[in-house]
Amino acid sequence: GQQVMQIPQYQHVQEGEDFTTYCNSSTTLSNIQWYKQRPGGHPVFLIQLVKSGEVKKQKRLTFQFGEAKKNSSLHITATQTTDVGTYFCAAYGNKLVFGAGTILRVKS
Amino acid sequence: SAVISQKPSRDICQRGTSLTIQCQVDSQVTMMFWYRQQPGQSLTLIATANQGSEATYESGFVIDKFPISRPNLTFSTLTVSNMSPEDSSIYLCSVQSRTNTEAFFGQGTRLTVV
Repeated sequence: GQQVMQIPQYQHVQEGEDFTTYCNSSTTLSNIQWYKQRPGGHPVFLIQLVKSGEVKKQKRLTFQFGEAKKNSSLHITATQTTDVGTYFCAAYGNKLVFGAGTILRVKS
Repeated sequence: SAVISQKPSRDICQRGTSLTIQCQVDSQVTMMFWYRQQPGQSLTLIATANQGSEATYESGFVIDKFPISRPNLTFSTLTVSNMSPEDSSIYLCSVQSRTNTEAFFGQGTRLTVV
């Protein structure tokens, strides 16, 4: 079945530093979604990408979908303590399949 | 968007007992999804609950262990049966938007089996 690999597993950054998490698939994806889960919370939808090479921005967050639609990234510029949490990519085929997630910790 | 109410939010249960988790959605949806999230791990789909038919279980999950009810288009329950410490996890219910562009989640049930 469809699988999405996500790296890194964990990243600890100083407040103000940038952060990037990557998602890869061996097969072409029809779409990629990104979710954020705060500690103790539930996943919350951030965005969906569907077009080859698509780039979307939400304030300090930049989302990219690769040209081949096999990879995606989420980049956070100048992290803040409010960015702490786990970021998941997910791909929807006939069901939603989640990547392993990247845990982001921010040192203030 | 969809608002999902899930309860209980947490429970501590004795091994060998069963716990039923309830999920109520504020709108009618065709499919509801049940996920398990083990500590520090990703979300794993347990089953898809369809109104009016048997739930569809993913590989590694069986109906005897995780019976699901779906009596109407806004409500579902997941039971974790004959629990063992390995069942300690967060259980989440979820629905998709009409166009499957995003998923909405309940607050989750944090289960500890002792």
